[in-house]
Amino acid sequence: EIVVTQSPATLSVSPGDTATLTCRAGQSVSSNFAWYQQKPGQAPRLLIYDVSTRATGIPARFSGSGSGTEFTLTISSLQSEDFAVYFCQQYNHWPPGTFGQGTKVEIK
Amino acid sequence: VQLVQSGAEVKKPGASVKVSCKSSGNTFTSHYIHWVRQAPGRGLEWMGIINPSDGSTTYAQDFRGRVTMTSDSSTSTVYMELSSLRSEDTAVYYCARSGVIMAVRGASTERWFDPWGQGTLVTVSS
Repeated sequence: EIVVTQSPATLSVSPGDTATLTCRAGQSVSSNFAWYQQKPGQAPRLLIYDVSTRATGIPARFSGSGSGTEFTLTISSLQSEDFAVYFCQQYNHWPPGTFGQGTKVEIK
Repeated sequence: VQLVQSGAEVKKPGASVKVSCKSSGNTFTSHYIHWVRQAPGRGLEWMGIINPSDGSTTYAQDFRGRVTMTSDSSTSTVYMELSSLRSEDTAVYYCARSGVIMAVRGASTERWFDPWGQGTLVTVSS
């Protein structure tokens, strides 16, 4: 099973600033990588798939990049509704498609 | 497409629970369904996958022998049953669609998880 390590565990950011989240896979996963947002009491929601393709309805302030083993989610001009937990996932080796442990983006 | 799950459950240790996941739209037999759980304050743990068109399954090692996933094409519903419950099984259980069904599962595309069901809280307590 491929281990996906997410960092940092918590990120304190001021509204309007940029947040940068990182994930590292234990081996190359090509471009088979996704990001999800989860708010309290809700199911995860797909943000980004295939490294950089935004899912339907996702604002342009969310962007993904990377390849191989290193991936980044950038959230520009953080809005109040963006404070949440973010999970990354590799699906190159699927199933299962392993998830990172999550990054909580909190208000600074 | 929407996935709608059954309601919260409270079970005693040693009991079983069966959670349903009903798919709207007409893609029930074209995509795999996965089950993922999330213990309070924890990350996402993959439990297994079912092919709704033929009922074939693969379970995560940690759940083999305790989990059973089934499908009912007549109602576009998949089920996840977990037996011999213990307190550590207290979690929110999610179904999620992932992967277009192909003749060879390894050739599946669209492997990201979307959409997700709303989640079902299962509480195991004596």
